[in-house]
Amino acid sequence: QKEVEQDPGPLSVPEGAIVSLNCTYSNSAFQYFMWYRQYSRKGPELLMYTYSSGNKEDGRFTAQVDKSSKYISLFIRDSQPSDSATYLCASPKNTGNQFYFGTGTSLTVIP
Amino acid sequence: EPEVTQTPSHQVTQMGQEVILRCVPISNHLYFYWYRQILGQKVEFLVSFYNNEISEKSEIFDDQFSVERPDGSNFTLKIRSTKLEDSAMYFCASSEVGGVSNQPQHFGDGTRLSIL
Repeated sequence: QKEVEQDPGPLSVPEGAIVSLNCTYSNSAFQYFMWYRQYSRKGPELLMYTYSSGNKEDGRFTAQVDKSSKYISLFIRDSQPSDSATYLCASPKNTGNQFYFGTGTSLTVIP
Repeated sequence: EPEVTQTPSHQVTQMGQEVILRCVPISNHLYFYWYRQILGQKVEFLVSFYNNEISEKSEIFDDQFSVERPDGSNFTLKIRSTKLEDSAMYFCASSEVGGVSNQPQHFGDGTRLSIL
């Protein structure tokens, strides 16, 4: 069962662009949603952590959850070349500790 | 900032041999996890560990896998008789708490396991 789905890209944008990364999930019981950034040959690094619906902003990053459509988004403003990485969405299994990850979207920000 | 550390960064092993992957979780964290990522595929959950016992495991985590916290700082994943399909990146993670209201999991940089 594909609990969390994500368009793998790749996505290529010019420096300074607004980036929109998206995921969908299947289980309406999911409540917590995370975005991780993964650089090549590194582990996933936590970027944003949100609970239920709504927006959460942290610097240039905004995470958005729409539970009615089971849609998760990450927006990056004023994108920088250092933002070039793979972005993973994840949600924990509602009754345990297991995280379900999307496949990741590969982003390249061109200087 | 505290981090999860994993050793070795790359392990090459002959098929059928045993391997032990090591992790040092963040010191005040109580929940520990192993995930794997086969090249080009999703990060997949293997097992979670709390209070010196397995709290949850996936279908992937069969009898050839075991986990242990041999002392107060290390957390290990053992694969008893490796197969070619065990070749993957193995990530260790830890979190302060677990369960439905869990805090985010923090990941190490992984061990790349290559089975020949």
